[in-house]
Amino acid sequence: EPEVTQTPSHQVTQMGQEVILRCVPISNHLYFYWYRQILGQKVEFLVSFYNNEISEKSEIFDDQFSVERPDGSNFTLKIRSTKLEDSAMYFCASLPVGKRGYTFGSGTRLTVV
Amino acid sequence: AQSVTQPDIHITVSEGASLELRCNYSYGATPYLFWYVQSPGQGLQLLLKYFSGDTLVQGIKGFEAEFKRSQSSFNLRKPSVHWSDAAEYFCAVASRGGDYKLSFGAGTTVTVRA
Repeated sequence: EPEVTQTPSHQVTQMGQEVILRCVPISNHLYFYWYRQILGQKVEFLVSFYNNEISEKSEIFDDQFSVERPDGSNFTLKIRSTKLEDSAMYFCASLPVGKRGYTFGSGTRLTVV
Repeated sequence: AQSVTQPDIHITVSEGASLELRCNYSYGATPYLFWYVQSPGQGLQLLLKYFSGDTLVQGIKGFEAEFKRSQSSFNLRKPSVHWSDAAEYFCAVASRGGDYKLSFGAGTTVTVRA
């Protein structure tokens, strides 16, 4: 069964550093998403991406965040200057044309120290 | 705005006993409905989903859920719980239009005792 692949599985970074979280969505999917889950809390929507542009973003997704699909296969989330409160599990997800079934990646645990 | 409520933060159940997890949603129209399971440190696994049709939905691992429009509920059930069902369970909804983003409930942690 096709999978959404996320790398790395765990990243530790110093406060103020830039991080890039990488995702390879399922190849024929057209809609891409990032969600995050702070430890012990619910999963929150960050951003959706379609047709090479952001279609919706949440209040969390401020100027420190950006997304890109640089080469038609990877889908990246960049945090420019990490803060302690960015520590969370970040999930990538993708949807096919019919929008009938999300596939989530296994997540990247980001720890900001 | 759509919202999802899971009233039970933590449920403890004996192995072999039945399990029911509650989920209520608030949305203008019937959304798409989902249940996900998450084991500690792991990703989100889809248990089942409801789009339309039969209101009793069968999923993986022996789970089922029933959509009740009148109660805006989508409760998850399993007749006989196994120790491996210990995990966190999330109910989620997505709008039928727009960009289909998911809104998650706060989750219910299930502990299974021997």
